Amino acid sequence: AQSVAQPEDQVNVAEGNPLTVKCTYSVSGNPYLFWYVQYPNRGLQFLLKYITGDNLVKGSYGFEAEFNKSQTSFHLKKPSALVSDSALYFCAVRGMDSSYKLIFGSGTRLLVRP
Amino acid sequence: NAGVMQNPRHLVRRRGQEARLRCSPMKGHSHVYWYRQLPEEGLKFMVYLQKENIIDESGMPKERFSAEFPKEGPSILRIQQVVRGDSAAYFCASSPGAAPSNEQFFGPGTRLTVL
Repeated sequence: AQSVAQPEDQVNVAEGNPLTVKCTYSVSGNPYLFWYVQYPNRGLQFLLKYITGDNLVKGSYGFEAEFNKSQTSFHLKKPSALVSDSALYFCAVRGMDSSYKLIFGSGTRLLVRP
Repeated sequence: NAGVMQNPRHLVRRRGQEARLRCSPMKGHSHVYWYRQLPEEGLKFMVYLQKENIIDESGMPKERFSAEFPKEGPSILRIQQVVRGDSAAYFCASSPGAAPSNEQFFGPGTRLTVL
């Protein structure tokens, strides 16, 4: 069965510093991986996805993620954090049954301090 | 092009009442997913529908919950005889197709509070 783990409940960084939000996955076959961001009392916004090809995926708002097959990881990164990046981040893997539902991690709260 | 729309945004019900949550997918999207988010948790899949068909309801509780996506009109998630444990945020997402590479676009959610 597919699953996703986000080992950190919260990540704290100073504005201007690089940030990493970790995600590891477990799938049978090739993974389809996604990152979403959720601001307070809002729905999820799509950031980026890995389907195939280049291991470094670039997404919205300056975010990127690195797919590492040997480590089964898909960490979200940004070279320089902004206070406005503070939000809840979810990693997800696409289920490979007939529905292709998203299977989400538990989420990581990112706090960027000024 | 309007995004995924959900209403109401907030819904308060007393135990035993019925809750009806509505979702209008993005224009051109015929695939709808419902997810539930408990406080401080990730989203959990509930049901996947295409027009007039339930494709996968493996995440739906066996009792009191039902979903539909009629030929005309929004998708409806219905919860009968609500209990306090049903309090959660319910998100709808739509997709243009069932291909695994398609991202899902989420609505703003309906926050259900059961008193």
